[in-house]
Amino acid sequence: RKEVEQDPGPFNVPEGATVAFNCTYSNSASQSFFWYRQDCRKEPKLLMSVYSSGNEDGRFTAQLNRASQYISLLIRDSKLSDSATYLCVVNTLTGGFKTIFGAGTRLFVKA
Amino acid sequence: GAGVSQTPSNKVTEKGKYVELRCDPISGHTALYWYRQSLGQGPEFLIYFQGTGAADDSGLPNDRFFAVRPEGSVSTLKIQRTERGDSAVYLCASSVLGLSSGDEQFFGPGTRLTVL
Repeated sequence: RKEVEQDPGPFNVPEGATVAFNCTYSNSASQSFFWYRQDCRKEPKLLMSVYSSGNEDGRFTAQLNRASQYISLLIRDSKLSDSATYLCVVNTLTGGFKTIFGAGTRLFVKA
Repeated sequence: GAGVSQTPSNKVTEKGKYVELRCDPISGHTALYWYRQSLGQGPEFLIYFQGTGAADDSGLPNDRFFAVRPEGSVSTLKIQRTERGDSAVYLCASSVLGLSSGDEQFFGPGTRLTVL
C-alpha cells in the first residue's frame, strides 16, 4: 500500500463547478499535511497547509481527519486557471524525517 | 528575491556515466530536500538536509546515489554508473526551518536527466 494515496484522475469539470479531492495516508504518526499544486512541466508550489480545524483560503477549503487518516481539498467556483495537478503531501517525523507526496490528481476545468 | 535554482536544467548522458546535479537554495534556508519525479507520478523523496548534515537519506535508491551539502547552502546530488531507470526530473527544495516545523518547501525548476 502506498504511504499517501489520492483519488485517481483526471477530473474534468466545467467552469463554476465545485470539485473535491481526497487523500489518505498510512502513517498515523504523520505530523503535518499540505496540498501543493503543480502545473504541467513546472515545479510544485504550496497551495495550502491542512489543519484538523479546517482552513479556508478564498475558494479553497482543506480539511484533515486524523482519526480516519484522511485529507480533503474542496475547490468552489472552479476557474480555467485552476487546471493543474493537485498533490497531497504528508510530513513524517517518526522513524525518519521525510516528505511523502501522493501521485497527484489532475484537474481540467473547461469553459 | 531569488528562488531555488538548479543546474543544469537538462542533462543527457550515457548509461554508465557519472553525473552531478547542483542545487542553490534560497539564502538563509537551513533545510534542503532532493526529490525525483517520473512522468505521471508525484515527487519521490530522496534525502533531507538540515544544515550540513543529512537528517534522512533513506530515500536514496541505492549506493550509486550520494548527496552533499558541505557548507549548509549549495547541495550536489551525485549519481554514479547511471542507468536508464535513473531518467527523471530531479527536484530540489528548500525551507526556512525544516520538517519539524512543517514549513513551506520552495522548489526549484528541476533538472531533467535523460540516460541513453
